[in-house]
Amino acid sequence: EAEVAQSPRYKITEKSQAVAFWCDPISGHATLYWYRQILGQGPELLVQFQDESVVDDSQLPKDRFSAERLKGVDSTLKIQPAELGDSAMYLCASSLETSHFHNEQFFGPGTRLTVL
Amino acid sequence: EDQVTQSPEALRLQEGESSSLNCSYTVSGLRGLFWYRQDPGKGPEFLFTLYSAGEEKEKERLKATLTKKESFLHITAPKPEDSATYLCAVLRVDQTGANNLFFGTGTRLTVIP
Repeated sequence: EAEVAQSPRYKITEKSQAVAFWCDPISGHATLYWYRQILGQGPELLVQFQDESVVDDSQLPKDRFSAERLKGVDSTLKIQPAELGDSAMYLCASSLETSHFHNEQFFGPGTRLTVL
Repeated sequence: EDQVTQSPEALRLQEGESSSLNCSYTVSGLRGLFWYRQDPGKGPEFLFTLYSAGEEKEKERLKATLTKKESFLHITAPKPEDSATYLCAVLRVDQTGANNLFFGTGTRLTVIP
């Protein structure tokens, strides 16, 4: 069964360091999402891609976060510099396309980030 | 402002004790309501999508229903393996014109043998 892949699964870093997360969506899925989930809360959308284009990054803290999907397949989310408040689970999801009626999103296992 | 509220925050059931989880929402441009299951340390797993009031969907011991203001996830005769956090999310058009999911904070279900 096709799955969304993410790496690393766990990352511990010190504040002010740079971190990067990688996501490989399900093959053929044009839309890719990055979410942040703080413990005890629901996922919050950070950025949404349609192919290689950003559709929505209104909730992405652009002073320190960046995301790219250069070839419209896999994607990287970067934080520089990391702050203590960035400690969370970072989830990647993919779906067929935003205009698809069902728009079912499939999630990866997530990257657990701890900033010390 | 869009809102999704799930209740209760946490629920403990005895094995076999049926109950319901609630998801109430206030959102403009609702395009669907989704239920996900999330186990600790893992990503959410898709359960159901509901698109119109009156719609119902079932999967094993779970049944989801939708009205114009809320959705219920009914759990019949739960088993310990049903223990997880259940997330509700609405598919809406946000201020940028994009379709995306807006999640509630979840209900943490524990089923005791």
